[in-house]
Amino acid sequence: GENVEQHPSTLSVQEGDSAVIKCTYSDSASNYFPWYKQELGKGPQLIIDIRSNVGEKKDQRIAVTLNKTAKHFSLHITETQPEDSAVYFCAGGGADGLTFGKGTHLIIQP
Amino acid sequence: EAGVTQSPTHLIKTRGQQATLRCSPISGHTSVYWYQQALGLGLQFLLWYDEGEERNRGNFPPRFSGRQFPNYSSELNVNALELEDSALYLCASSVEGADTQYFGPGTRLTVL
Repeated sequence: GENVEQHPSTLSVQEGDSAVIKCTYSDSASNYFPWYKQELGKGPQLIIDIRSNVGEKKDQRIAVTLNKTAKHFSLHITETQPEDSAVYFCAGGGADGLTFGKGTHLIIQP
Repeated sequence: EAGVTQSPTHLIKTRGQQATLRCSPISGHTSVYWYQQALGLGLQFLLWYDEGEERNRGNFPPRFSGRQFPNYSSELNVNALELEDSALYLCASSVEGADTQYFGPGTRLTVL
């Protein structure tokens, strides 16, 4: 089955700086890679996703890149703001289900 | 449009009891997924239901079971509760055959 590794587990950045979270996956059949943001006491919220036929996708301050050859994908957040503080999860898979990374706690320092 | 809803928000049980958690998917979604989120362990896949049938099951003992009703809502049952079952249980839904899952707010289960 699929195995998704995520790092770092904790990331602290200064407000206004960029944050990068990286994930690797093992199953070459995986073709869908979403990212979720989970705030304290809430369920995970989908923030961006990418499919295997695309190398990069952007949505305002958030971008995701995918390298299928190396089996890794990354989340990039630019101009970080206090409301970006949360736990971020990557996942890999497809219509048959998703496997999640263990999460990254992103801390935005004022 | 209403999102995925779960009830109850919190549930406190004692060891050996049974717990029942409920989930209503987004309107039009036929697939329901259940995950366990224990502290520090990320999201662990439990069960996947689609069109009333169990499609896949994660690496959990048989005392974790569930069902999906004709209106696509779902129920997760945990029998013979153990202390380590304490966790946030998340439900997600998707359109049939789609890969994108949308999560509810979760049910916090505490086993004393």
